[in-house]
Amino acid sequence: QKEVEQDPGPLSVPEGAIVSLNCTYSNSAFQYFMWYRQYSRKGPELLMYTYSSGNKEDGRFTAQVDKSSKYISLFIRDSQPSDSATYLCAMSDNDYKLSFGAGTTVTVRA
Amino acid sequence: SAVISQKPSRDICQRGTSLTIQCQVDSQVTMMFWYRQQPGQSLTLIATANQGSEATYESGFVIDKFPISRPNLTFSTLTVSNMSPEDSSIYLCSEISVTDTQYFGPGTRLTVL
Repeated sequence: QKEVEQDPGPLSVPEGAIVSLNCTYSNSAFQYFMWYRQYSRKGPELLMYTYSSGNKEDGRFTAQVDKSSKYISLFIRDSQPSDSATYLCAMSDNDYKLSFGAGTTVTVRA
Repeated sequence: SAVISQKPSRDICQRGTSLTIQCQVDSQVTMMFWYRQQPGQSLTLIATANQGSEATYESGFVIDKFPISRPNLTFSTLTVSNMSPEDSSIYLCSEISVTDTQYFGPGTRLTVL
C-alpha cells in the first residue's frame, strides 16, 4: 500500500465549475501538507501549504486537512481553462522529505 | 522563494553513458533534494544533497548509480551513471525556503536510447 493515495482522475469540468481533489495517507507522522500544480513539461509549482487541520483559503483555492481521518482536499472555485494541469498532493513529517500522490489531471473546458 | 535553474533542460543519451545535471539556486539555502519523475508517474525522492558531505540516499537509490555533489549552499549536481532506458525520467532538484516550504526547479528531461 502506498503512503499517499490520490484520486486518479482524469477530471474534465466546464469553466466556472468547482474542482474537488482528494488524497488519503497512512503515515500518521505526516504534519505538513502541500498541493502542487504541474503544467505539461514544467516543474511542480507550490499552490498551498498547511500544517494544521481545518481549512486554508487563498483566492479561488481552498485546502482542507483532516488529520483524524488522514484525508486532505483541494477545492478550486470558478475554475478557468488556465487551471488545466496535473495537481499533486504532497506531505512530509519534520524531515522535509516529500511523499507525493500520483497526481490528478484536470481539464477545464471553455 | 529562491529562483532555481537546471541544466540541461533536456537531453537524449545513449545506453551505458553518464549525464551530469546541474542545479543552481540564486540564494543560499539550507536543504536541497533530488527527485525523479518517471513517465506518467509522480515524484520520488532520490536523495538529500548535503553541503560538504555525502548525500543521503532513499531506499532503492545508491551512490554508485546517482552520485551527488553539493560543494556550496547554492549549487548541486546529480549524475545518472551507466544509463539504461529505464532511467528515462524527469529529474528535479528542490530547495527548502526560509518559510519551510519546498520549491522545485524546472526539471531535466532525460531520454535514454
